[in-house]
Amino acid sequence: AQSVTQLDSQVPVFEEAPVELRCNYSSSVSVYLFWYVQYPNQGLQLLLKYLSGSTLVKGINGFEAEFNKSQTSFHLRKPSVHISDTAEYFCAVKARNYQLIWGAGTKLIIKP
Amino acid sequence: SQTIHQWPATLVQPVGSPLSLECTVEGTSNPNLYWYRQAAGRGLQLLFYSVGIGQISSEVPQNLSASRPQDRQFILSSKKLLLSDSGFYLCALEGTRKSNEQFFGPGTRLTVL
Repeated sequence: AQSVTQLDSQVPVFEEAPVELRCNYSSSVSVYLFWYVQYPNQGLQLLLKYLSGSTLVKGINGFEAEFNKSQTSFHLRKPSVHISDTAEYFCAVKARNYQLIWGAGTKLIIKP
Repeated sequence: SQTIHQWPATLVQPVGSPLSLECTVEGTSNPNLYWYRQAAGRGLQLLFYSVGIGQISSEVPQNLSASRPQDRQFILSSKKLLLSDSGFYLCALEGTRKSNEQFFGPGTRLTVL
């Protein structure tokens, strides 16, 4: 069975500072990895995904994530955040023939 | 491109009343469809998914039900709402097998009083 852990429920960071949102997963088989963003009172939007190939994945809005197989991690990063990045971020894992498994979410709080 | 419509956008219902939330999709055929719920301060909870017309899988036992009368229509229902049914309901479809990602609708905010 697969599982996803987002280690931080909230991450406060100053505007223009870098940020890393952590995601660890467990799985006995190969997985696909996703990061989604949810702005207040909206649906989820795909930020980026890792299916195969290069372990560094670039997404929308200046975000990127790195797949680390040995550490079973898929941390999300942005070098400089903006007020508009205030949202909740969800990590998700999918193995072939299994349902998508979601992390509990991390709220990114941008301080001016 | 794929589009997901959900209505209503917001809904306030008394305890014990019935519920019907509708989700329709465009730009795809025979999608896998999903209903999720987000309760206040909690993550995504998968309620139902459907791989085709009339095919519904329930992930959690509760007073909700789902139906898929048409390929691109997914309905979430209840005969009698509970206070604990309050939350943000999201419909999603699964993309092509190659992409494996899910696309989400705008959601319905349900408040049960």
